[in-house]
Amino acid sequence: VHLVESGGNLVQPGGSLRLSCAASGLTFGTSWMGWVRRAPGRGLEWLANINEDGSVQNYVDSVKGRFTISRDNAKNSLFLQMNTLRVEDTAVYYCAVGQQLGYWGQGTLVTVSS
Amino acid sequence: QTVVTQEPSFSVSPGGTVTLTCGLSSGPVSASYYPSWYQQTPGQAPRTLIYSTNIRSSGVPDRFSGSILGNRAALTITGAQADDESDYYCLLFVGGGIWVFGGGTKLTVL
Repeated sequence: VHLVESGGNLVQPGGSLRLSCAASGLTFGTSWMGWVRRAPGRGLEWLANINEDGSVQNYVDSVKGRFTISRDNAKNSLFLQMNTLRVEDTAVYYCAVGQQLGYWGQGTLVTVSS
Repeated sequence: QTVVTQEPSFSVSPGGTVTLTCGLSSGPVSASYYPSWYQQTPGQAPRTLIYSTNIRSSGVPDRFSGSILGNRAALTITGAQADDESDYYCLLFVGGGIWVFGGGTKLTVL
């Protein structure tokens, strides 16, 4: 299983960013997928997950209404649309396979700063 | 708000055994919370060690084991090695499709 995140960047507060996660080595369309982040000096934070066909999404309260998780099973890809970004969203963002996060990507850095 | 608690730090001697635990502010942890455990060293992605309480992830040596001890989930490391020095996180399913990480335990091997 190989997961590669991309899309991390420097963005101003209030801005938007879309993260992508390209998956290989698994039957993507039969796997729950999720996003986790680790902010500087803090621990891991579970953010969101999505079921196999994309019909169910779950979010932690701190990102609900601002972040949207989605997937394209035809392209073996997972996405995280992040809007109204805040300084405290600065973190390395990881995608992971399964509800219990069995496999992880290497992460992509998002920096929110003016 | 559900809080998942872990010991902030722990120390173990090389070759020794250590048990890290994971609790829940709202009550006892059971297998129905599907506790899982992750290891993360600085600059690296997390690595899954244990899921569903006590199932070792592929490639994880059997000196890592998971269980429920009393009211908490537990990760036991036997025969601790220098490269076990890492941050360890537990993850619990708290219902409504939501999962929550504990704050992590920084393990020192010395």
